[in-house]
Amino acid sequence: EAGVTQFPSHSVIEKGQTVTLRCDPISGHDNLYWYRRVMGKEIKFLLHFVKESKQDESGMPNNRFLAERTGGTYSTLKVQPAELEDSGVYFCASSRTSGYTGELFFGEGSRLTVL
Amino acid sequence: AQSVAQPEDQVNVAEGNPLTVKCTYSVSGNPYLFWYVQYPNRGLQFLLKYITGDNLVKGSYGFEAEFNKSQTSFHLKKPSALVSDSALYFCAVRGLSSNTGKLIFGQGTTLQVKP
Repeated sequence: EAGVTQFPSHSVIEKGQTVTLRCDPISGHDNLYWYRRVMGKEIKFLLHFVKESKQDESGMPNNRFLAERTGGTYSTLKVQPAELEDSGVYFCASSRTSGYTGELFFGEGSRLTVL
Repeated sequence: AQSVAQPEDQVNVAEGNPLTVKCTYSVSGNPYLFWYVQYPNRGLQFLLKYITGDNLVKGSYGFEAEFNKSQTSFHLKKPSALVSDSALYFCAVRGLSSNTGKLIFGQGTTLQVKP
């Protein structure tokens, strides 16, 4: 069974440009989460999809970030326009259920560097 | 507000010696606690979790963790460290008040095991 895959693994862009990160969850996992780790600090929650619906987007930093999950399969996270403080590692995770006891399966992350 | 603290940025231990990586939490109600590990250039991997029951939980790769409600701690332990245990360790909590199953992470602790 393939794990959670993320693309690209590393992206370097100029301030003001646009970047789109993609996440393919494990097949059959309805729940998809985005997290990010900035400057070696804690991993922070961004949002949670259940199938194609946004269950919780309380962690999205501002309206420069747009997440989509059309069809309830893969998800994209677009940053437009990118700012310096957006640099960090963006992790995607998935789970079969949204129950409180289950663990999440994480991808390897997409490292974003904004210059 | 829910939070997790990992007081040590780095823990150094000699191979064969016992190791402890500390974690304390703050959450409303009973917590669900998790440990994840990130090896270099890899995604986060689930190690173990505490949901209910025995305060000592065992996980992957010989790791275990002890839930201490009075001290609000969930320290990760291993009786005999291996060089291959060197990695970044994250403690996380999910509270019953959370309606999305999202995790709150600590800032991570780098474990360095020297031969």
